[in-house]
Amino acid sequence: GAVVSQHPSWVICKSGTSVKIECRSLDFQATTMFWYRQFPKQSLMLMATSNEGSKATYEQGVEKDKFLINHASLTLSTLTVTSAHPEDSSFYICSASDGSYNEQFFGPGTRLTVL
Amino acid sequence: AQKVTQAQTEISVVEKEDVTLDCVYETRDTTYYLFWYKQPPSGELVFLIRRNSFDEQNEISGRYSWNFQKSTSSFNFTITASQVVDSAVYFCALRLIQGAQKLVFGQGTRLTINP
Repeated sequence: GAVVSQHPSWVICKSGTSVKIECRSLDFQATTMFWYRQFPKQSLMLMATSNEGSKATYEQGVEKDKFLINHASLTLSTLTVTSAHPEDSSFYICSASDGSYNEQFFGPGTRLTVL
Repeated sequence: AQKVTQAQTEISVVEKEDVTLDCVYETRDTTYYLFWYKQPPSGELVFLIRRNSFDEQNEISGRYSWNFQKSTSSFNFTITASQVVDSAVYFCALRLIQGAQKLVFGQGTRLTINP
C-alpha cells in the first residue's frame, strides 16, 4: 500500500516557539492532504484540508494563523504550529490521498509536547 | 452534516472470546463510504476495511467480520476468538463519495483483550 511518513515522530518545545511538522507521500503523488489532531483518549478531529498549490481549507474553530499549512508539492505538506502553548500539546496525524477518492493513507503521527 | 457514534467507550474481554464493536452513523447523503481503523498504542492508524453504501454484503477477513445494515445505519465489527494483539482503539469513520473527502470519525472504542 501507499506510504506516508511524518517527521518528526515526536517533539518537545518551549511555550512560545514554533514547530514545523512534515508529511510526505513516499510512493505516490498526493493531490490532497489532511491534518488531524487527536487529544489523549479522544477521537481524530480534522483540522484542515490542503490541495497542492492552493490555500488550505480550515475546519471551523481552527485558527489558520496559528496552524500554518503549506502544500507546495505533490509529495510534501507541512504544518507549522506558531507560538505554541501547552494546550497545543497533542498527537498530530496527516493523511494523503492520490485523488482516487477511495482512501486516505495515514502517516504515523507526530506527538507534540509544549512545556 | 455527518455523524458517527460508537457508544462503547471501552470493552474488556478475555482472550478467545468473541467481541462486537458497534458503529452507528448519520448522513442525509445516499452515497458514502464507511471505514474501520485500528489504532494500537503506537498511534499509527491501521486501515481495516472500506465499504460503500451500495454494497450491504457482509464481509469476513480471517477473524474479522463486518455487518453493514443500512436499515439501522449500522456498521458493526466483530472479532472472533480474540487475541491479546487485538487490544487497541478502534475507530469507525464515514466519508461522502461526492464532494470533499473529509473523514468523520466516531469517538473510538478501546478494546482490551486479557490473557
